[in-house]
Amino acid sequence: EVQLQESGPGLVKPSQSLSLTCSVTGYSITSNYWGWIRKFPGNKMEWMGYISYSGSTSYNPSLRSRISITRDTSRNQFFLQLNSLTTEDTATYYCTRYYYDGYYPHYFDYWGQGVMVTVSS
Amino acid sequence: DIQMTQTPSSKPASLGERVTISCRASQGINNYLNWYQQKPDGTIKPLIYYTSNLQSGVPSRFSGRGSGTDYSLTISSLEPEDFAMYYCQQYDSSPTFGAGTKLELK
Repeated sequence: EVQLQESGPGLVKPSQSLSLTCSVTGYSITSNYWGWIRKFPGNKMEWMGYISYSGSTSYNPSLRSRISITRDTSRNQFFLQLNSLTTEDTATYYCTRYYYDGYYPHYFDYWGQGVMVTVSS
Repeated sequence: DIQMTQTPSSKPASLGERVTISCRASQGINNYLNWYQQKPDGTIKPLIYYTSNLQSGVPSRFSGRGSGTDYSLTISSLEPEDFAMYYCQQYDSSPTFGAGTKLELK
């Protein structure tokens, strides 16, 4: 069974960087696409970006200057780094797997439980 | 960005009731529309992909339809486990989500 688990700090200070890890079991991250999504207080959801089976990345244009998604295939983990945090980055962060039919990544078929991150001094 | 307008934002409903949630895109999205359910414990799962395809394991009381800019999710007869948040999401371009619909017990 595919399982994803986020880990990282629950509290980060403004202007600092956030680093989150998604540990995947039951499936290799060298297949499919793998993404990050966040849900803000008030329920708005935002797609942040993905890393593909080949290591290519795509980011939400609104975050492109602050975000980086990388991976460690030996550990079957992928990572989110988000720089220059403000209080508006307070959210629950989810890692996801895309359903990929070999042509196009279609939808998010597996989700982690989410990790709540608060940006506050 | 393609904006997704999801309605209603909340819906009081009764067990056994038929409910429909709507999403309107700011431009045509070629049926690239998915629906997700988030339970109170935070768990999120896909329900419908590419407008009308039922995700494996999802009960047949869930269905989706639509075209162009207008899409909908229907639950034919509400069960207790269906009271949750629902989101639409387009992927015709950089993915964006609707604001969510909270299905509540009346």
